[in-house]
Amino acid sequence: AQKITQTQPGMFVQEKEAVTLDCTYDTSDQSYGLFWYKQPSSGEMIFLIYQGSYDEQNATEGRYSLNFQKARKSANLVISASQLGDSAMYFCAMRALSSNTGKLIFGQGTTLQVKP
Amino acid sequence: EAGVAQSPRYKIIEKRQSVAFWCNPISGHATLYWYQQILGQGPKLLIQFQNNGVVDDSQLPKDRFSAERLKGVDSTLKIQPAKLEDSAVYLCASSKTSGGWTDTQYFGPGTRLTVL
Repeated sequence: AQKITQTQPGMFVQEKEAVTLDCTYDTSDQSYGLFWYKQPSSGEMIFLIYQGSYDEQNATEGRYSLNFQKARKSANLVISASQLGDSAMYFCAMRALSSNTGKLIFGQGTTLQVKP
Repeated sequence: EAGVAQSPRYKIIEKRQSVAFWCNPISGHATLYWYQQILGQGPKLLIQFQNNGVVDDSQLPKDRFSAERLKGVDSTLKIQPAKLEDSAVYLCASSKTSGGWTDTQYFGPGTRLTVL
């Protein structure tokens, strides 16, 4: 069985500073994908970044980067130069090859508030 | 490219009534997913379609929930009769291919259901 754990229910960050959102995962699969989504108050889940288990380099997408530590089973999201529009709920999710379906397993989420 | 469309955005019903949600995926996306997101939790997969066939409906409460994807394009999710615990956001997502472990899912804005 797969499991995602996000231990930070809420985080605050000052505008223009960097912030790290924690995510640990549990799976016995060797092949899996890790995803981060942003959910603003409007409700839509916005895809941010993807990391495959065989990727040797950490994924980056603009101000988002994923700090992937395979041995520790962690996939933390780093947001650089925070903006007020980054205030939202952030979800870490995974999908493993053995699931045989596209089902994403989500964590509980972290609420990020960016202070001006 | 248009995103995933969902309607209605909000719905309030009395318990024991029925309700239906509609989803139109991104053009050309073969796989469609319905997720249920209860307040304060991550989304949970209800059902996955590939084209017009069901891939995974293991977590769909089949005594009251039903879904279809006629012609392999748009989809409808129905609840009949609704219970108080069905109050949630219902998210539709789509992905390009067969839902493999590297496949990115793109979400619609969701339908917020309140059951009184």
